[in-house]
Amino acid sequence: QSVLTQPPSVSGAPGQRVTISCTGSRSNIGAGYDVHWYQQLPETAPKLLIYANTNRPSGVPDRFSASRSGTSASLAISGLQAEDEADYYCQSYDSSLNGYVFGAGTQVTVL
Amino acid sequence: EVQLLESGGGLVQPGGSLRLSCAASGFIFSSYAMSWVRQAPGKGLEWVSGITGSGGSPYYAESVKGRFTISRDNSKNTLFLQMNSLRAEDTAIYYCARVSGGNSYHTYWGQGDLVTVSS
Repeated sequence: QSVLTQPPSVSGAPGQRVTISCTGSRSNIGAGYDVHWYQQLPETAPKLLIYANTNRPSGVPDRFSASRSGTSASLAISGLQAEDEADYYCQSYDSSLNGYVFGAGTQVTVL
Repeated sequence: EVQLLESGGGLVQPGGSLRLSCAASGFIFSSYAMSWVRQAPGKGLEWVSGITGSGGSPYYAESVKGRFTISRDNSKNTLFLQMNSLRAEDTAIYYCARVSGGNSYHTYWGQGDLVTVSS
């Protein structure tokens, strides 16, 4: 199982707001390491969505936002659109493993 | 424009070896750490290995430690992953990715290269 825990799936109707949690521990998120989020559309490479907990790269819509607190982080998608159907992964660094860690991924479905 | 292009994947028997390459362009290659990240069929992302811009301090996931070796040739803007003693569970798409930031996020990704370990 992954070091970072994410729900396997979330869903929402177009226009709704959904959130994805990412729960870690004292050796990763809780140790102060940043959390980053990626979006992977079907059959494509992952794309950086959020970096350093809350920052959006150029070109990422402001419908996507994220936060971090304690040993957890979350990604929110507001005004859900059909094009947001994808898998979403959180990522951090783990000092016990001396390497980067990903969550298992969350599949977002637009109803 | 940043581009990362993986090559070298394919079908290999269990216990065999394979060397992946990642050709980089559009940025000063030696200035950035790089990672290999893999994705088994139908599964999530798994970080495999990373290396600093200078080529020192390689680091590995426990699942590949002792079997895989990451290296880079900054004169040729190329990242490598030498994979030995391959197992069925190493079957995956392998992505190379550029690492940015002190707390290290993967800004740019290649399109991936499929490695299949099967007899």
